[in-house]
Amino acid sequence: GNSVTQMEGPVTLSEEAFLTINCTYTATGYPSLFWYVQYPGEGLQLLLKATKADDKGSNKGFEATYRKETTSFHLEKGSVQVSDSAVYFCALSEITQGGSEKLVFGKGTKLTVNP
Amino acid sequence: NAGVMQNPRHLVRRRGQEARLRCSPMKGHSHVYWYRQLPEEGLKFMVYLQKENIIDESGMPKERFSAEFPKEGPSILRIQQVVRGDSAAYFCASSLTWTGSYGYTFGSGTRLTVV
Repeated sequence: GNSVTQMEGPVTLSEEAFLTINCTYTATGYPSLFWYVQYPGEGLQLLLKATKADDKGSNKGFEATYRKETTSFHLEKGSVQVSDSAVYFCALSEITQGGSEKLVFGKGTKLTVNP
Repeated sequence: NAGVMQNPRHLVRRRGQEARLRCSPMKGHSHVYWYRQLPEEGLKFMVYLQKENIIDESGMPKERFSAEFPKEGPSILRIQQVVRGDSAAYFCASSLTWTGSYGYTFGSGTRLTVV
């Protein structure tokens, strides 16, 4: 089946450091790819997405490019802030037997940014 | 415009009791998805429902778990005779259309603890 693999955390950075969280996927066809963020005690929020190869999703200074040749969707940010501390989930969409789409998630990467 | 509302936020049950988790989708959304997040894991799809219909329950355990989304009222995820392994965060998401490629809106989750 389809799967998503993220780099293991936790990741600890100083404020203004460069962030990369690796994500690779295994899928049949060409799924849409997503990054979700989960702040402590809260639900998941969609951070960015890309629906086809070479698309770049971006939001709040974060970006990720859909790379079909390497089956990757790495998350990057040039200068992190303390408020970026959260758990980040990479996900892909998968067509269900009912014809809808469900999400397949990676295990998540916890990011802590220190002042 | 309220988001996806889940209650209770925290639920403690003794082994053998029943747990009922409620989810009110965003206004106008008629598609509801339930996901489970076990400790240190990503979210796993459980079930997809539309009003009065279960569309895909391929991720639901075969026993003790059931879900409904009645014509009126919230969607309910019901777990009978809970066991310690049911302890997890349960997230509900809703979408406007049949496809989640636009990204679901997640609720803040119900954290179930079985003692």
